[in-house]
Amino acid sequence: QQPVQSPQAVILREGEDAVINCSSSKALYSVHWYRQKHGEAPVFLMILLKGGEQKGHDKISASFNEKKQQSSLYLTASQLSYSGTYFCGTGSNQGNQFYFGTGTSLTVIP
Amino acid sequence: DVKVTQSSRYLVKRTGEKVFLECVQDMDHENMFWYRQDPGLGLRLIYFSYDVKMKEKGDIPEGYSVSREKKERFSLILESASTNQTSMYLCASSLKWDRRDTEAFFGQGTRLTVV
Repeated sequence: QQPVQSPQAVILREGEDAVINCSSSKALYSVHWYRQKHGEAPVFLMILLKGGEQKGHDKISASFNEKKQQSSLYLTASQLSYSGTYFCGTGSNQGNQFYFGTGTSLTVIP
Repeated sequence: DVKVTQSSRYLVKRTGEKVFLECVQDMDHENMFWYRQDPGLGLRLIYFSYDVKMKEKGDIPEGYSVSREKKERFSLILESASTNQTSMYLCASSLKWDRRDTEAFFGQGTRLTVV
C-alpha cells in the first residue's frame, strides 16, 4: 500500500534542478508532499487533487497524473535549505488511510 | 499554532516490557495516525483512527495496539516490546480526508530503543 519513491537519494549542487517521483498501486484522490529536516518532524509542502493539477510553492512545484497514479515533485534552482528527506503521501477513495512513501533524501551542496 | 505533542522524545525499554507512546493534538482533528520511520523504508503506517474508539490497521500492525478514548489523544501500545521495534515513531493528525484539501500535522517523534 505504501507508495514508492524514486530516486532513493540525490545529491545536487546549489542551483541545479531535481525531480522526485512517487508512484502508487492504488487509485488516488490526492497527493501530498512533505519535507523532513534532520531531527525534525515532516512539514507539509503542498497538496495536489484529482484533475492533473500542478501546484507550486516558491521554486518547488509538483504534478499529479491520476490516470497513472503518479506524482512528481520538481525542485528548480535548488538552495542549501532544500536539503532533507522528501515524502509523498497518498489518500485513496477506499478509506481513511493515508500512506507515506519510501522517502527521497536530497542533499544540496555549495 | 497547531500542535501535535508526543509524550517523550527518547525512550529506552527492556525486551518484554509493555510500552505506551502517547500523542495529543489540540486541533480537534478527526484523524490520528501512528507511523514508524526506519532508514530506507520511509514512513510506514501502523494504525490510524478516524473517530473516538474507532481504529483501523495500517500496513504493519503486528505487535502493536492502539487506544483512542478521547478525540485529542491517541496511544500506541507495544504489548511486549522486542528489539525489532526499536525505531522512530511519529504521530500525526488531520481533518477528514473527504475535505480533500487537508494536510497532516506531525509530532516531533519518539525515538524508542528496546534493549
